[in-house]
Amino acid sequence: EAGVAQSPRYKIIEKRQSVAFWCNPISGHATLYWYQQILGQGPKLLIQFQNNGVVDDSQLPKDRFSAERLKGVDSTLKIQPAKLEDSAVYLCASSLAGLMLAKNIQYFGAGTRLSVL
Amino acid sequence: AQKITQTQPGMFVQEKEAVTLDCTYDTSDQSYGLFWYKQPSSGEMIFLIYQGSYDEQNATEGRYSLNFQKARKSANLVISASQLGDSAMYFCAMSDNYGGSQGNLIFGKGTKLSVKP
Repeated sequence: EAGVAQSPRYKIIEKRQSVAFWCNPISGHATLYWYQQILGQGPKLLIQFQNNGVVDDSQLPKDRFSAERLKGVDSTLKIQPAKLEDSAVYLCASSLAGLMLAKNIQYFGAGTRLSVL
Repeated sequence: AQKITQTQPGMFVQEKEAVTLDCTYDTSDQSYGLFWYKQPSSGEMIFLIYQGSYDEQNATEGRYSLNFQKARKSANLVISASQLGDSAMYFCAMSDNYGGSQGNLIFGKGTKLSVKP
């Protein structure tokens, strides 16, 4: 079974430029998450989708970050314009996440390492 | 608010020995899930083990076991017979709603484990 796919693996941009990340979840996984992991810290949730609807985007800096999951499968996360403090690894995860599941294991992709200069 | 604390920034263990990675948590919820993930230098977060708050027995997965002490709010990871490939960052995480349809993960800062030959 294929895992969570993310691209690109690395991206270097200058501040005020825009950047987009792509994620394809595990087939059949209804829930998709984007996390930001700053160096030396654990991942922090940015946004959660259930199918193509947003469940939680309370920690997404909406003035510069946007995300979409058209057709309830793959997703893109965009930053426009980027700031120096956006330098981080952006991780995508997916899970089956049905209401009746006792546990909700999230499976992660390899991430995109963003450097903003 | 929920919080995960990992007090060991780095740990060393001799190959083939056992090691315990500490994790304490804080929550007012009765239903929650506890997870451990491994993050090698490649960046991908790899799910290791899960413990539900109502599970009476400690979880085990191969060489991994979770020492769950609910009254002390601790969920320590025990790795038996350490291998060189176990060298990585280890993150403890917690979900609310017992892994229900939201099940957002809150992560600790991680512990870097180094296995010595």
